[in-house]
Amino acid sequence: EVQLVESGGGLVQSGRSLRLSCTASGFTFGDYALSWVRQAPGKGLEWVGFIRSKAYGGTTEIAASVRGRFTISRDDSKRTAYLQMNSLKVEDTAVYYCTRDQLYWGQGTLVTVSS
Amino acid sequence: DIVMTQTPLSLSVTPGQPASMSCKSSQSLLHSDGKTYLYWYLQKPGQPPQLLIYELSNRFSGVPERFSGSGSGTDFTLKISRVEAEDVGVYYCMQSIQLPPTFGQGTKVDIK
Repeated sequence: EVQLVESGGGLVQSGRSLRLSCTASGFTFGDYALSWVRQAPGKGLEWVGFIRSKAYGGTTEIAASVRGRFTISRDDSKRTAYLQMNSLKVEDTAVYYCTRDQLYWGQGTLVTVSS
Repeated sequence: DIVMTQTPLSLSVTPGQPASMSCKSSQSLLHSDGKTYLYWYLQKPGQPPQLLIYELSNRFSGVPERFSGSGSGTDFTLKISRVEAEDVGVYYCMQSIQLPPTFGQGTKVDIK
């Protein structure tokens, strides 16, 4: 069974940094791209970015709205993908989901950015 | 970016009756590989989105047969043949033919 578990969310002040983790099980982690999608309170879904598998270069694509502040990385030995969020803004407040292929989703982790 | 537009924004349905909702994309979602990269999700209150339909019309594992997806090009429909109480929530369509993947604003379904 495919499982994705996000962690690392919490309350942080504007301008600070936070790193989210997505730990996977139930599939060959290194063979798949992993994506991050966020949802602000009471709002819709917004794609944040993804990281390709090493077979496709392990490169990343990041949404324009967070480019330059957010980066994505992965450690296949730990079956974990990361979302590094720097220079956080109040509008980054959201539940952050990790997804595989947009088919399988984690439960999400809440990030709250205070002013 | 491809814009996804869902209608209606809210839908009140009677259990046992059919329901349908629409999603329109600003560009064709038909890829040269023959697949249409249109997905449907249901997000129940307090839960992550759950995939219902992938690549236009394929039901995901465990999804009841009462859910079906159809359409072509830029116009798509999700149908529920007989609505059940557990089908309440917000339905989202999403395209992944082009980066960035984009979502519709959602159709909120509740029970009459």
